Amino acid sequence: DVKVTQSSRYLVKRTGEKVFLECVQDMDHENMFWYRQDPGLGLRLIYFSYDVKMKEKGDIPEGYSVSREKKERFSLILESASTNQTSMYLCAATGPGTSGGEQYFGPGTRLTVT
Amino acid sequence: DQQVKQNSPSLSVQEGRISILNCDYTNSMFDYFLWYKKYPAEGPTFLISISSIKDKNEDGRFTVFLNKSAKHLSLHIVPSQPGDSAVYFCAATAWSGSEKLVFGKGTKLTVNP
Repeated sequence: DVKVTQSSRYLVKRTGEKVFLECVQDMDHENMFWYRQDPGLGLRLIYFSYDVKMKEKGDIPEGYSVSREKKERFSLILESASTNQTSMYLCAATGPGTSGGEQYFGPGTRLTVT
Repeated sequence: DQQVKQNSPSLSVQEGRISILNCDYTNSMFDYFLWYKKYPAEGPTFLISISSIKDKNEDGRFTVFLNKSAKHLSLHIVPSQPGDSAVYFCAATAWSGSEKLVFGKGTKLTVNP
């Protein structure tokens, strides 16, 4: 069974801190995605990656960066956390045998920036 | 510009009755549509999908209908169960190999016992 894991379920950080959110998938697949989910706004794409070392901006990349050094790991970086980045962060990946972009999601990281 | 719209933020139905969740889209290039279900404090899970070459896809209690001319799809759950209470997201993609999805804002379904 496909598995996507995220390093933390809950995280509390201070304004201005550098924050790393880690995501690991056990599928041998190239595509990985980072979203944030906010009430009334649905899932919004921050960044995605088609392959190692490759990254593409999503709809709301401002204030974020990403790193993809290995195929199975995709990290989201908040360079200087701000209170408006308090959110649920969701990582997703596409797996072998899927069609049309079906994505498998991790459990999410609830980040609070104080 | 919202390309995928779920105009009902919430829906409440009685157990055993039909739940109908609606989704509209504006991008004519979308050719594959998916529904995801999300419980609180969990990641979304894939529920059912439909290709633009079909107008209906069924999986157990879940059926998705697609009306391309109206750019509208709907998810029917029959019969509804309390465990179906969750947020449902509609998503769409223009299949170009990118596998990038565009999500709606979600509809919170509550099934009352």
